[in-house]
Amino acid sequence: QVQLVQSGSELKKPGASVKVSCKASGYSLAAYTMNWLRQAPGQGLEWMGWINTDTGNPTYAQGFRGRFVFSFDSSVSTAYLEISSLKTDDTAFYYCARGTGGWYYFDYWGQGSPVTVSS
Amino acid sequence: DIVMTQSPDSLAVSLGERATINCKSSQSVLYSSNNKNYLAWYQQKPGQPPKLLIYWASTRESGVPDRFSGSGSGTDFTLTISSLQAEDVAVYYCQQYYNTVLFGQGTKVEIK
Repeated sequence: QVQLVQSGSELKKPGASVKVSCKASGYSLAAYTMNWLRQAPGQGLEWMGWINTDTGNPTYAQGFRGRFVFSFDSSVSTAYLEISSLKTDDTAFYYCARGTGGWYYFDYWGQGSPVTVSS
Repeated sequence: DIVMTQSPDSLAVSLGERATINCKSSQSVLYSSNNKNYLAWYQQKPGQPPKLLIYWASTRESGVPDRFSGSGSGTDFTLTISSLQAEDVAVYYCQQYYNTVLFGQGTKVEIK
């Protein structure tokens, strides 16, 4: 069965970096994209962008360019989200989600990785 | 940019009654070349990731109970829960994927 398993919670200080992982299994990885989404505490969903798991090419949504990096290691079927120069506003749940047609709709989601940025 | 507005922000419905959630897009999400509406609906229960319910505005995802249905075209869409069950308490989001991706602000459904 399709599974996306994300790394655990992180507590970081402002200015630090964090790397979240998302291990995929149960399907042909190159046939679907991997998308990243953010949900701040008590807030709605923001789409951060996606990575083509066939070519490794990332696409970033507006507002997520510069400090955010998507990557993918096919040898371990794992996607990564790295955020640098963390700000307190980056405190959120980060989700990976399988995308159909690139960024269309998201049929499988990871369980979420909570990242807390606090001094 | 497309703006997605859901209404109401919250609603309380009695068990077994109908729940209706509206989603309005500031621009049409109907792609004329394939006559498809680029709109999806998700359910998010507390402490869980979102779950895909509906895509292409009206196609139910596999395994989703048939009490959930999506309708609408162009700029106005509706998610209907025909007979509300206790397990349907959640926040529901619409999402357009016509022009990148954008979600509505969410609608909280509770039991009256």
